[in-house]
Amino acid sequence: AQSVSQHNHHVILSEAASLELGCNYSYGGTVNLFWYVQYPGQHLQLLLKYFSGDPLVKGIKGFEAEFIKSKFSFNLRKPSVQWSDTAEYFCAALNQAGTALIFGKGTTLSVSS
Amino acid sequence: NAGVTQTPKFQVLKTGQSMTLQCAQDMNHNSMYWYRQDPGMGLRLIYYSASEGTTDKGEVPNGYNVSRLNKREFSLRLESAAPSQTSVYFCASSEGQSGSQYFGPGTRLTVL
Repeated sequence: AQSVSQHNHHVILSEAASLELGCNYSYGGTVNLFWYVQYPGQHLQLLLKYFSGDPLVKGIKGFEAEFIKSKFSFNLRKPSVQWSDTAEYFCAALNQAGTALIFGKGTTLSVSS
Repeated sequence: NAGVTQTPKFQVLKTGQSMTLQCAQDMNHNSMYWYRQDPGMGLRLIYYSASEGTTDKGEVPNGYNVSRLNKREFSLRLESAAPSQTSVYFCASSEGQSGSQYFGPGTRLTVL
């Protein structure tokens, strides 16, 4: 079955630390990849997406992600986190049928000031 | 633009009761989706509608029905609620099926 895996369930960082959240998807071929963020009490918002082209994708709020096809990975990074980045982060991939997104189980990021 | 709106925001049901969750989008999107979010499970697709007039099952469709009323509206119905359906339900829409999805604020449903 197609799946998306997020390696870290809960990440705790201090402000200004660097962030990398892992994401792997289980199938090859053309794949559309996404990172969404859910701030406490809010709905999901799109951080960034990759469809094709430059494998290094820049999103909102200083986030970026790198698509590595050989590793089936799409890791999210931010050089210096802020307290306001405290949220749950979801990686998602379009399924092979191209009909819907498959989400990872999410990573909770807690940033202390 | 309101984006994707959902009603109600909160609901408490007793086992066996029925209810309909409403979703509307004003972005003229073709595709709409219903997900449920449970702790540690991420989001799981219940049903989706690729375009007006079509609906298809997702990963966890049992116990639910949907109606794509028109291009704007996509409702989710629980005919006989069960405690296992206690969850947060999100509606989403996208221009096409492969595009970015935009989410509503969610409905927190508790079934006693």
